[in-house]
Amino acid sequence: GAVVSQHPSRVICKSGTSVKIECRSLDFQATTMFWYRQFPKKSLMLMATSNEGSKATYEQGVEKDKFLINHASLTLSTLTVTSAHPEDSSFYICSAGTQGGFDEQFFGPGTRLTVL
Amino acid sequence: DAKTTQPPSMDCAEGRAANLPCNHSTISGNEYVYWYRQIHSQGPQYIIHGLKNNETNEMASLIITEDRKSSTLILPHATLRDTAVYYCIVRVSYNTDKLIFGTGTRLQVFP
Repeated sequence: GAVVSQHPSRVICKSGTSVKIECRSLDFQATTMFWYRQFPKKSLMLMATSNEGSKATYEQGVEKDKFLINHASLTLSTLTVTSAHPEDSSFYICSAGTQGGFDEQFFGPGTRLTVL
Repeated sequence: DAKTTQPPSMDCAEGRAANLPCNHSTISGNEYVYWYRQIHSQGPQYIIHGLKNNETNEMASLIITEDRKSSTLILPHATLRDTAVYYCIVRVSYNTDKLIFGTGTRLQVFP
């Protein structure tokens, strides 16, 4: 299957700072990327859908000004958690899909964010 | 997207077949059944998907009932590395369409 990477894999930051997480499709062009958040022992919760070259679509209840998503190229999407607080501590996972190619989406390995 | 119902947890002895059920009674005619699994602290991994025919690949088999209201994922010879949370998801087969995860089944394979 195709490979999706995330960077960093783990980040610890102070409350009030901003953190950027990168999601890259390594061997295919991803027209659409998705961002999920997962709390301990819980399922994945979809945060937003990003399409290359257009604004992201956020799920209900997700603050678009707090979770900035940029999908500037067909291989890179970024999620920036602005003014992070301890309650933003979570496991953030991206996935990527492409039209006319694979039938399934491919997931990154996840980024563990801890806000102190 | 149609909702799915899965048992919260299951156990399976190593080397035996693991049969994971999923109910999706409100599935639409153009929706596929997808299975993903998530090993602890990793991103989900695609396993298999199907529309109405049974499917098999190197990882698993997918059995879909004739009325398509339920399905079973079969891991023919479970190993300890198959311990994970397994998610059954139904959606149209456009990989640019979002996946909505339910609570899944936590499969524990024991020696």
